[in-house]
This record gives sequence, structure tokens and C-alpha cells, in this order.
Amino acid sequence: ILNVEQSPQSLHVQEGDSTNFTCSFPSSNFYALHWYRWETAKSPEALFVMTLNGDEKKKGRISATLNTKEGYSYLYIKGSQPEDSATYLCASSSGNTGKLIFGQGTTLQVKP
Amino acid sequence: NAGVTQTPKFQVLKTGQSMTLQCAQDMNHEYMSWYRQDPGMGLRLIHYSVGAGITDQGEVPNGYNVSRSTTEDFPLRLLSAAPSQTSVYFCASSYSRVLRGASVYTFGSGTRLTVV
Repeated sequence: ILNVEQSPQSLHVQEGDSTNFTCSFPSSNFYALHWYRWETAKSPEALFVMTLNGDEKKKGRISATLNTKEGYSYLYIKGSQPEDSATYLCASSSGNTGKLIFGQGTTLQVKP
Repeated sequence: NAGVTQTPKFQVLKTGQSMTLQCAQDMNHEYMSWYRQDPGMGLRLIHYSVGAGITDQGEVPNGYNVSRSTTEDFPLRLLSAAPSQTSVYFCASSYSRVLRGASVYTFGSGTRLTVV
């Protein structure tokens, strides 16, 4: 079983601040790294899926990077807005089974 | 398309009762899975299936059974409910014909289960 760790567990920032979270995962037999955004009372929604070392993905003000050799990924939010408040989950798959193991999530609260 | 449909949304059970949580998807997804979400513990994998007739255990399978007789449906059965199974349950699926581990998951809306 993979051990996926996320930090920090929670984060409070002011509107306009930029922030970043970390996801660490076992680098052996790595296949893919997923990021999901999970708003309260909703279902998780996919942000990014990355597979290659050095991958960088961007969607609006949110971007992510991947380092498979050392087993970490960063998620960046530039100029946080109150609507960015959510829990951000990362998940890693090893091998090509489709099985995802999730981290505990980072809960972001953006104050207006 | 409805996506991933979970029923019921809420359920209260007495200790020892059995029930089935339903999950259906209409996207022809090959891969389906069940997770439970508990405070401070993220999503933990209960069981998963890579196709009709094939199931396997995840991180926390004890107390749960699954079957996959069709591509569309992946029910989760609680055989004898215990208070420790109080949780929010999510079903998720992905297309994953070839790149299974890199296929985006689509989640259902969740089932909030309380066992008293």
C-alpha cells in the first residue's frame, strides 16, 4: 500500500495571497499523480493528472509540478480568491492498475 | 449523461443490519472503486474493480463485499453493520482502457452512513 502525505493539513490565507501545498509519494513503481479539488457538500473534481518527471500543468491561476525521482508534487494557487476555498487532494497510482491512493488533503480557507 | 450515481444519499442503520450501497455509471468506464472518507483520514480505498467480473481489495476491505456483474454497476454490501463503519462513502470510476493509472476519476455524490 502506498503512503501519500500532504502538507500542510490546513491553511488560512487572505484574498490575493499566493500559496502552495506539497504532496509526497513513494517514487518506486510510480505511474501517475492526480490532484483533485473538493468543495464542501460536493464531490471531488479533477484538476490535473501528471505522469512524467518534470511535468508542469496549469489551469487558470492553479498550477502543479511533478518530481517523480524524489517523490513530490507541488500545487500552486496564484492570487487566491474566496472561491478557491476547498480541500485539495492528491493521489498516486503505482503500476497500471488504475488504483489510486489518496493523501489526507490540504484544506484551504481564503478570507475576503 | 448522469455520470456516477450513488444511492441512497443518507442512511441510518442499526448495529448488525445489512445493506447495499448502490453505484452506477453510464460512461462505459472500465474501472470502478469504493472509498470511505473519515475526518482527518482522507479517502481510503475499500474495494475496486478493473472490469466486469473482476474485483480486488483496497486498504480497508474488512466488513464489506462487492461484485461487478455488469460494466455499469458496482454495489457495496455491508454484511453486518458496525459503528466503526459510520462514514461517508464515495464511488468513483474512470475510463482506463489503456492508461488506467492516468485516467481521471469521476466521483459520485456520496452516501452518508450512520450506524447506531
